Amino acid sequence: SQKIEQNSEALNIQEGKTATLTCNYTNYSPAYLQWYRQDPGRGPVFLLLIRENEKEKRKERLKVTFDTTLKQSLFHITASQPADSATYLCALDRYNAGNMLTFGGGTRLMVKP
Amino acid sequence: EPEVTQTPSHQVTQMGQEVILRCVPISNHLYFYWYRQILGQKVEFLVSFYNNEISEKSEIFDDQFSVERPDGSNFTLKIRSTKLEDSAMYFCASRIRAGQNNEQFFGPGTRLTVL
Repeated sequence: SQKIEQNSEALNIQEGKTATLTCNYTNYSPAYLQWYRQDPGRGPVFLLLIRENEKEKRKERLKVTFDTTLKQSLFHITASQPADSATYLCALDRYNAGNMLTFGGGTRLMVKP
Repeated sequence: EPEVTQTPSHQVTQMGQEVILRCVPISNHLYFYWYRQILGQKVEFLVSFYNNEISEKSEIFDDQFSVERPDGSNFTLKIRSTKLEDSAMYFCASRIRAGQNNEQFFGPGTRLTVL
């Protein structure tokens, strides 16, 4: 069966450090992989999208890598700030009729000042 | 900046009652979605809607659920006879088009509580 796994344990890091979050998937052939941020009681907010033929994508302090051989994506936040504290969701996007997103369970990031 | 809006923010209902959750997607978007998130669990896909018809639905989206775009701006999710296990956050999302480099924009959600 298809699985998307993110580390369910919270990641605690010190302000200024780089946070690295992992997303692993099995039995999927995604066209795109997306990362979203979710704050408590709110809807997911899009951060970055990476295509299957891209190895790396950057946006400001964010970087995403996508290894379709390992079936893994890494999400990095450099120079982390307390405001980055949230749950980060990985979502796989197959190019099909509905382009639905399949989400992982998310990893909660806590950045301490 | 355009955004997806949802009403109500919180809906409390009795088991067996019908509820309608409302969404206004971003105006030039063509693809519309409903997702739900049970407390502490993953965001789960329910249904996608394009060109006035369902394009894909999950196993969760059974005969108790229906969607409609009645007037070209609203996008609604109806649950005919609510069950306790329908209690969740329901998120509407829209996307300008599929198969391109496009993200989904999510609304703030409706918290549905079934008593």
